[in-house]
Amino acid sequence: KNEVEQSPQNLTAQEGEFITINCSYSVGISALHWLQQHPGGGIVSLFMLSSGKKKHGRLIATINIQEKHSSLHITASHPRDSAVYICAARRGQGNLIFGKGTKLSVKP
Amino acid sequence: SQTIHQWPATLVQPVGSPLSLECTVEGTSNPNLYWYRQAAGRGLQLLFYSVGIGQISSEVPQNLSASRPQDRQFILSSKKLLLSDSGFYLCAWSRFSAKELFFGEGSRLTVL
Repeated sequence: KNEVEQSPQNLTAQEGEFITINCSYSVGISALHWLQQHPGGGIVSLFMLSSGKKKHGRLIATINIQEKHSSLHITASHPRDSAVYICAARRGQGNLIFGKGTKLSVKP
Repeated sequence: SQTIHQWPATLVQPVGSPLSLECTVEGTSNPNLYWYRQAAGRGLQLLFYSVGIGQISSEVPQNLSASRPQDRQFILSSKKLLLSDSGFYLCAWSRFSAKELFFGEGSRLTVL
């Protein structure tokens, strides 16, 4: 079992839908990262959080430390949100453990 | 502002040939530097990281090596490529080890 699990693996949505991507981890962490990988491969860091909730535009990330679970939400989804979303857990000062990613496709 | 450059973007190499991927960071000093590989259907795997010039830590034993000849330059190399070296290689930097990562655009390597 991977230390960081994401669900779903693939997600297709209609433009305007509210989207949730989930991330569960089995290790103690100091922070959790959400990354976005564009179709060309480049990766952008979306959020780094260790508690509570963060919001940036239409993106919201939440984390529940007790349940070892984080979610990434996208409100009013748009085709340009189509990408692979990757969750990564940081253990202490150590390196990141990455999930396998969730491939999101938003149809117009 | 800080930027990270990685090249080449794509590379097709025969088995047994050498490899050199280069990464440079601008706009910051003494960054932590990382090389990741993303194989098909797998998550990102940390290959090497560096906290300073000449300081390289290897996470996974393999056919690859890394060097940091200058503060903001990180090079991934191989003397003889294997088929299993094919993948998408990403360079990244952070200010400190526990901080946000910033990624380059990646280099797609196909070994034939």
